[in-house]
Amino acid sequence: ETGVTQTPRHLVMGMTNKKSLKCEQHLGHNAMYWYKQSAKKPLELMFVYNFKEQTENNSVPSRFSPECPNSSHLFLHLHTLQPEDSALYLCASSQDAGNTGELFFGEGSRLTVL
Amino acid sequence: AQRVTQPEKLLSVFKGAPVELKCNYSYSGSPELFWYVQYSRQRLQLLLRHISRESIKGFTADLNKGETSFHLKKPFAQEEDSAMYYCALSGQGYGQNFVFGPGTRLSVLP
Repeated sequence: ETGVTQTPRHLVMGMTNKKSLKCEQHLGHNAMYWYKQSAKKPLELMFVYNFKEQTENNSVPSRFSPECPNSSHLFLHLHTLQPEDSALYLCASSQDAGNTGELFFGEGSRLTVL
Repeated sequence: AQRVTQPEKLLSVFKGAPVELKCNYSYSGSPELFWYVQYSRQRLQLLLRHISRESIKGFTADLNKGETSFHLKKPFAQEEDSAMYYCALSGQGYGQNFVFGPGTRLSVLP
């Protein structure tokens, strides 16, 4: 599959659960991003990885823990979330975070926290 | 700090009418500006970028540094243009990341 792929597409979890979101890109890009999309703040940058190194943590609570094992894969580990964390989580990639290039987005993982 | 504003949350026009989606930005250096679009049930995707100076799907956008604006225009709206439109800014240099505006939902009525 080409482009940016996110799994699962939908996730429902309780506040005490631990789950992970996965993102994979087949574009040969070196930068990957997590965004949160909700009604309150449409597109909110969470984390940026460039060449597997985290270059941006946009004051995200520690209950969200990113992991980037290689340039093609990005995870978002979730634990003890709150209902207000329910949102669409978008992964994106670009050639690298230093160039002003185009972002390619996945379809998102819709998270519901009960 | 980088900031992008889109004053209209919702814009409704009739088919065939001109449409303009407003975008203003604040950035101390020379930014690169983008318009991204999200059609119903589709992923967010790039529509156009100011350095390309292209017309995509009949849309154009001109960067006005004096007014710090990057408004998106189309002379004759089509129903298939109905979507969510986001203006975005990227600063220059390493670590400068994309900042998106709040978005404008365009509804083109038949």
